[in-house]
Amino acid sequence: KQEVTQIPAALSVPEGENLVLNCSFTDSAIYNLQWFRQDPGKGLTSLLLIQSSQREQTSGRLNASLDKSSGRSTLYIAASQPGDSATYLCAVHDAGNMLTFGGGTRLMVKP
Amino acid sequence: GAGVSQSPRYKVAKRGQDVALRCDPISGHVSLFWYQQALGQGPEFLTYFQNEAQLDKSGLPSDRFFAERPEGSVSTLKIQRTQQEDSAVYLCASSLVSGYEQYFGPGTRLTVT
Repeated sequence: KQEVTQIPAALSVPEGENLVLNCSFTDSAIYNLQWFRQDPGKGLTSLLLIQSSQREQTSGRLNASLDKSSGRSTLYIAASQPGDSATYLCAVHDAGNMLTFGGGTRLMVKP
Repeated sequence: GAGVSQSPRYKVAKRGQDVALRCDPISGHVSLFWYQQALGQGPEFLTYFQNEAQLDKSGLPSDRFFAERPEGSVSTLKIQRTQQEDSAVYLCASSLVSGYEQYFGPGTRLTVT
């Protein structure tokens, strides 16, 4: 059974700092990996999707990498802003069709 | 076009009541998923539809949970005889076809008192 772990569980940084969120998964036979953002009381907003054949994806200040063989992905956020404060979730899509989620990283960016 | 919508957004039920949660996926999306998210945790898979066919219901926690998508569009998740442990946010997602990017609705927050 696929298991997804996110480290750290919570992170507090001053505005302007670059930061890295980590995601690991146990079964490397995945189709793709998605990073989501979740604001309190809201649904999930897809940030980036990396296909299993890709190594990284970029969107604005966000860069996600994927190392399928080692079962790891990182989400890099450059020049963090208070508006980036949210919970970040990674999820893997494997042969089971569904997404398997990690527990999330709660990010607080202080002005 | 419009995204995934869910109703109601909030539902308070007394223990033992039945509830029905609705999901309207993005028009034309073949695949539809239901997830349950407990407070402070990541979402967990409940069930998956391809058109009107329920292809996977392995995540449904008990036989009190039932989902349907009779015309391959709108889906309803029904919980019978609700228990306190059913309190969670129920998220619906749709994708064009299986394996493509999933788009999530805002969720229904169910509180069982």
